[in-house]
This record gives sequence, C-alpha cells and structure tokens, in this order.
Amino acid sequence: QKEVEQDPGPLSVPEGAIVSLNCTYSNSAFQYFMWYRQYSRKGPELLMYTYSSGNKEDGRFTAQVDKSSKYISLFIRDSQPSDSATYLCAMVPSNAGGTSYGKLTFGQGTILTVHP
Amino acid sequence: DAGITQSPRYKITETGRQVTLMCHQTWSHSYMFWYRQDLGHGLRLIYYSAAADITDKGEVPDGYVVSRSKTENFPLTLESATRSQTSVYFCASKESSLQETQYFGPGTRLLVL
Repeated sequence: QKEVEQDPGPLSVPEGAIVSLNCTYSNSAFQYFMWYRQYSRKGPELLMYTYSSGNKEDGRFTAQVDKSSKYISLFIRDSQPSDSATYLCAMVPSNAGGTSYGKLTFGQGTILTVHP
Repeated sequence: DAGITQSPRYKITETGRQVTLMCHQTWSHSYMFWYRQDLGHGLRLIYYSAAADITDKGEVPDGYVVSRSKTENFPLTLESATRSQTSVYFCASKESSLQETQYFGPGTRLLVL
C-alpha cells in the first residue's frame, strides 16, 4: 500500500463548477501538506501549503487537512479552463526540531479538465 | 534568467550508456532534489542534497549517482541506463530546512531504447 493515495481521475467538469480533490495517507508523522499544480509538459508549482490540521483559503482555492482521518482536500470554486492541469498532493514529516528535510511524498496526481 | 534550469530537456539514449542530467539553480538554495515522474506513481524522490558535498538516498536511488561539489549544481548520472529508467526527471530546490516550498525545474524527458 502506498503512503499517499490519490484518485488519478481523470476528472472533467464544466466551467464554474466546484471541484474537490482528495488524498488519503497512512503515515501519521506527516505534518506539512501541500498541493502542487502541474501544467502539461511543465514542472510542478506550489499552489497551497498547510501545516498540521485546519483550513487555508487563497482566492478560489481552499485546502483542508483532517489529521484524525488522515485525509486532505483541495477545493476549487468557480473553476476556469485555465485550472485544467494535474493536481498533486504532497506531504512531508517534521523532525524533532519542528523543521523537515523536505523529503516530499507525492500522490499519483489527479488530471483535471475544466471545459467551457 | 534566475531560477532553476535543467538540461537537456529531451534525451534519447541506448541501454547500457551513461547519461548525465544537469540541474542548475541561481538562488543559492541549500537543498536540492531529484525526482522521477511515471504514470501511476506520481513523483518519486531519487536523491536529495542538504548542502554542497552532502547527499542522501531517496525512495528509488538504485542505478543513479549524484554529486554536489557546488551549491548551485546537482547533476544526476545514470551509470548504465536501463529501459525502466525511461521517465521524466525533475530537479527541485528549497531555500533551507525552515522553508518547505520546493521549486521545480521544467523537467528532462529521457527515453532509453
């Protein structure tokens, strides 16, 4: 079983829809949770970053972390065709000093298409 | 331009050949990483480096060698390429142990025949 599980989709939605992307994980040591967006033939770019449990909002994007359920989500409101990309969840444990070595563990990525 | 660059962007090689993928960053970030991306696996960490002359294995290090003699460069060498190493390779960097944001390069597409 993989440490991080993510439904690869593909997911196709109409413009304006609310999109929900999810990941589950098994390693309780994970403390930092991220969502990366990757356009076709490009490198991933950081979209959202959350430490421990809770919600974080940035414009049309909301990231949620539920450590008790080992479940993280990314919501996209009023989705746009420009949101069409692969979305990767990633997480990293924290060492005893509260910082990490940056060894990200990624989900498989969900391919999202928003059609006009 | 400042940032993180990778070369070559595309590479075709044959089984058994040695191949070196280059990664260069202009931010003087302490940490650098090599990932490979394959369908169904997402990105997997090959090697990482916390500083010049400090490297360590990631999840899938077999068949790869890295070095980091200068902070800004982190080359990845496939000593004897195999077909299973056909993949897209991404280099990334992050500023320090206190920062979690990793910045990725554009990737190198490698095909091993």
